[in-house]
Amino acid sequence: QVQLQESGPGLVKPSETLSLTCTVSGGSISSYYWSWIRQPPGKGLEWIGYIYYSGSTNYNPSLKSRVTISVDTSKNQFSLKLSSVTAADTAVYYCARTIFGVVKRYYYYMDVWGKGTTVTVSS
Amino acid sequence: QSVLTQPPSASGTPGQRVTISCSGSSSNIGSNTVNWYQQLPGTAPKLLIYSNNQRPSGVPDRFSGSKSGTSASLAISGLQSEDEADYYCAAWDDSLNAFYVFGTGTKVTVL
Repeated sequence: QVQLQESGPGLVKPSETLSLTCTVSGGSISSYYWSWIRQPPGKGLEWIGYIYYSGSTNYNPSLKSRVTISVDTSKNQFSLKLSSVTAADTAVYYCARTIFGVVKRYYYYMDVWGKGTTVTVSS
Repeated sequence: QSVLTQPPSASGTPGQRVTISCSGSSSNIGSNTVNWYQQLPGTAPKLLIYSNNQRPSGVPDRFSGSKSGTSASLAISGLQSEDEADYYCAAWDDSLNAFYVFGTGTKVTVL
């Protein structure tokens, strides 16, 4: 059974770069898409972006200038970097396995989620 | 940035049927499949419905999804206390800047 675990600093200073890693266990990172999603305190879900195991990416237009998602297939991990953070980036960050394709219509959904990690942006 | 609109809340008594709407546009719900996620308090979201009306293994058949035009709905029949949670619709948006969009979320309360 595939499991995902987010890891990284829980506190980041304003203007610095937030860095998180998602470790995939119980299965291979290959042949799947992998997403990052975040949820500010008391608010809804926001999609950050995805990476395919081969390295292709797509990001939320509202975050695109600050986001980088990368993958390390040898470690069965993928990572998120968000630069120039502000208090508005304080959130629970989730990683998730993603099913993505097109058969007349696009289908995209996250079927396995990590438990999430809380990141606070504060000096 | 949500472009999928849901009612902020819905409620029902145990055993009742509750329906949650999700309104989008031609570039998301109108063009692509809809998913629903359930988020129990203090936990990560869980996939509830994918591809408009498909249930992952283990999801009770009390949960059902449907789509018509640029709107979608989630129905919970035979409401149970453990269904009290936040529910989010979501879909791929293939406008100029393609991205995945979540709905605004609906809090379901079991009275």
